Amino acid sequence: TQLLEQSPQFLSIQEGENLTVYCNSSSVFSSLQWYRQEPGEGPVLLVTVVTGGEVKKLKRLTFQFGDARKDSSLHITAAQTGDTGLYLCAGAERAQKLVFGQGTRLTINP
Amino acid sequence: DAGVIQSPRHEVTEMGQEVTLRCKPISGHNSLFWYRQTMMRGLELLIYFNNNVPIDDSGMPEDRFSAKMPNASFSTLKIQPSEPRDSAVYFCASSFHRGASNQPQHFGDGTRLSIL
Repeated sequence: TQLLEQSPQFLSIQEGENLTVYCNSSSVFSSLQWYRQEPGEGPVLLVTVVTGGEVKKLKRLTFQFGDARKDSSLHITAAQTGDTGLYLCAGAERAQKLVFGQGTRLTINP
Repeated sequence: DAGVIQSPRHEVTEMGQEVTLRCKPISGHNSLFWYRQTMMRGLELLIYFNNNVPIDDSGMPEDRFSAKMPNASFSTLKIQPSEPRDSAVYFCASSFHRGASNQPQHFGDGTRLSIL
């Protein structure tokens, strides 16, 4: 089974700051997804990246897939308190079967 | 539109008891996934179905766990007998699978299971 490592595991910053979360593996994935999970709820898909080097933007969130399709990053610009949550990356081991990272628990302080 | 519906939301029971978790996927979705989430191990895939047929159950911890999907709108995950180490949040997710592409999975809000 392929493994995904996320860093940092915990991040607490002030509103308005920028941050980057990383998702790394020694294995190649056919695609990678990012989810956000809030307490008491299931993960919700933010984005899927498929092509090596691909960059996708979702308002203040920028997602990048590494050229070799082994790693990904999530950058948040001017973080807001509403960005607080658990961010999970998930690699497609093969069609449909996802391997999840441990998650980054992000807290944005007002 | 209704999302994935799981029941119960919370379950507390004593070890040795049988536990049954239920899931209703999104109408029209043909794939269903059962996951378990713990602080130590994160989110792990237990089993998934395509068109009601189990495709991969390699994540099921042991024979005490079983899952069924009798029709396109209902699935159960059963633990018998339950043990304290089974305590976790269990999620069900569904998606519409077509070909080799990776479609987004839609998660329910989970069942928080505590085995005393």
